Amino acid sequence: SALTQPASVSGSPGQSITISCTGANSDVGGYTFVSWYQQHPGKAPKPIIYAVTNRPSGVSHRFSGSKSGNTASLTISGLQAEDEAYYYCASYTTSATVLFGGGTKVTVL
Amino acid sequence: QVQLHESGPGLVKPSETLPLTCSVSGGSINGHSWSWIRQPPGKGLEWIGHVDVRGNTYFNPSLKSRVTISVDTSKNGVSLNLNSVTAADAAVYFCARGGGYDISTGYWSFFDFWGQGTQVTVSS
Repeated sequence: SALTQPASVSGSPGQSITISCTGANSDVGGYTFVSWYQQHPGKAPKPIIYAVTNRPSGVSHRFSGSKSGNTASLTISGLQAEDEAYYYCASYTTSATVLFGGGTKVTVL
Repeated sequence: QVQLHESGPGLVKPSETLPLTCSVSGGSINGHSWSWIRQPPGKGLEWIGHVDVRGNTYFNPSLKSRVTISVDTSKNGVSLNLNSVTAADAAVYFCARGGGYDISTGYWSFFDFWGQGTQVTVSS
């Protein structure tokens, strides 16, 4: 089954928000192989975090990742209007498969 | 810059096979794993499966009996075949680089490059 994410998170411009991604020992908790993707409507997902805490080249420093136990988190600092999108976590699993989270809609108020 | 482009029939009849191709430009298909991911209308992402750097394939257990993924090095592309489709298979299908675990390095490749996606409708 999918990793668990909140359906929606909102914040005002300039604020910080955090999105959680909860799995199990067999996926999120078992590896440092969690990544996060941003998807605007009608577009392909874009990677923003990989290996729990790393940002691909060109991704804003306002995006940061962390993990504690079976829960990974994505924090967006200094929220901007362009951050309004869907966010998905993904993790490798002990079954050599990949699980995505159900997705979180971020709304900038 | 690596670019991926999915192509295939936009419309497939129930019970038939869906064939999709992902053409890769700006980089070699060798030395990387390649994945297929889909997104039903209004829903989240679902990993379908991937082929790793050694040519081994791994699939979502819910689709395993109906899916094949293969690499065509002569065309620098990756293909997906999903048979016995139903309405539940209607989605945007993405190909992406990554998804595989390299046992020699202990590293899992995240999905770093994506195609724009191709819409698939299942209807008679």
